[in-house]
Amino acid sequence: QKEVEQNSGPLSVPEGAIASLNCTYSDRGSQSFFWYRQYSGKSPELIMSIYSNGDKEDGRFTAQLNKASQYVSLLIRDSQPSDSATYLCAVTSTNAGKSTFGDGTTLTVKP
Amino acid sequence: EAQVTQNPRYLITVTGKKLTVTCSQNMNHEYMSWYRQDPGLGLRQIYYSMNVEVTDKGDVPEGYKVSRKEKRNFPLILESPSPNQTSLYFCASSRIPVGTGGYNSPLHFGNGTRLTVT
Repeated sequence: QKEVEQNSGPLSVPEGAIASLNCTYSDRGSQSFFWYRQYSGKSPELIMSIYSNGDKEDGRFTAQLNKASQYVSLLIRDSQPSDSATYLCAVTSTNAGKSTFGDGTTLTVKP
Repeated sequence: EAQVTQNPRYLITVTGKKLTVTCSQNMNHEYMSWYRQDPGLGLRQIYYSMNVEVTDKGDVPEGYKVSRKEKRNFPLILESPSPNQTSLYFCASSRIPVGTGGYNSPLHFGNGTRLTVT
């Protein structure tokens, strides 16, 4: 079992729809959770960080964390073609130095 | 401008020829880390450093060396590169948690180094 697993893609949604990206992790002691966006050929850039159970909203993006279920998700509302990218879930373990990434989910938003 | 700078961006080399990929950050971050990214395997951590002179292995350290003599620099060294080290490499930095149980800050990534070993 991978330490961090993301829902397999690719994911395709029409413009204006909600895109839902999911991630599960195996280390129960994990404390820090991140979503990064990576455009093809570019470096990952932070979309959201979340540390506590519940929802965290930032503009069109909402991250949800459920530590009991070891689950973190990212919702993108009113999806735009510019949101088309690979989304990486990252989890930092109880060893604060180790960051583990999921394989990524590729999202395509069709005009 | 706050940034992580990697050099070179592209590198083609031959098996066994030692090489160094440099990484420098200007944000006074304590934490620095190297990752490689391969299709279907995602981003995998090679080495990380919590502060000067402190380095630890990540998930795939074999064939790599690092050093952290200064806070801002964290070079990745391949003493004898092999074709299976052909990959896209990213350096990243962040602040570290303050005290025990603190939360990690997000990573700031460099632009990447695409390495081809023939």
